[in-house]
Amino acid sequence: ETGVTQTPRHLVMGMTNKKSLKCEQHLGHNAMYWYKQSAKKPLELMFVYNFKEQTENNSVPSRFSPECPNSSHLFLHLHTLQPEDSALYLCASSPFGQGNNNSPLHFGNGTRLTVT
Amino acid sequence: SQKIEQNSEALNIQEGKTATLTCNYTNYSPAYLQWYRQDPGRGPVFLLLIRENEKEKRKERLKVTFDTTLKQSLFHITASQPADSATYLCALPSGGGADGLTFGKGTHLIIQP
Repeated sequence: ETGVTQTPRHLVMGMTNKKSLKCEQHLGHNAMYWYKQSAKKPLELMFVYNFKEQTENNSVPSRFSPECPNSSHLFLHLHTLQPEDSALYLCASSPFGQGNNNSPLHFGNGTRLTVT
Repeated sequence: SQKIEQNSEALNIQEGKTATLTCNYTNYSPAYLQWYRQDPGRGPVFLLLIRENEKEKRKERLKVTFDTTLKQSLFHITASQPADSATYLCALPSGGGADGLTFGKGTHLIIQP
């Protein structure tokens, strides 16, 4: 149990579908992150939320839309994705954002997304 | 932005030996550096953090060094065991006051019995 739970674990969707990934953390942290992990590439930071406010959007296409209703929950809404968007999407949390603090990231086990 | 280089090929080590993994970075020297372990199908797990004013950090069989002159960190696992087989990731602050960490591609370590 990592303290960060992601659902679903696996998702297959067509290019015209709309789906959402969910992340929940039970650690009392104030910062939450979405990372994308593709084969043979380093983790790519997508979005950062600090105290529910988005502090980073790393030039992510608009077909990915994050939502952070409170400090414990983070969503990633997906629509009209491309096959190259297939990857492992990882959620993480930390007590505070990295810009102010050196606290480690606590990751969930990810959602394996396949776009057909 | 920060660029990180880690041995991209798998590293095979005999059980009981010391495994040494390398992390090199370009551009500015970070205030700290972190190491993570990732197993297949799982998210990365934090192992160790070392600050720029620390030369060495230890935790059980793990040791991390940080050389800001060489812009390099070394990660050592002593008395390695097959259970240590995993991918090890190096991470640095993204810089410029930005939130989030920048990760290397990771080194796949295989400990052979």
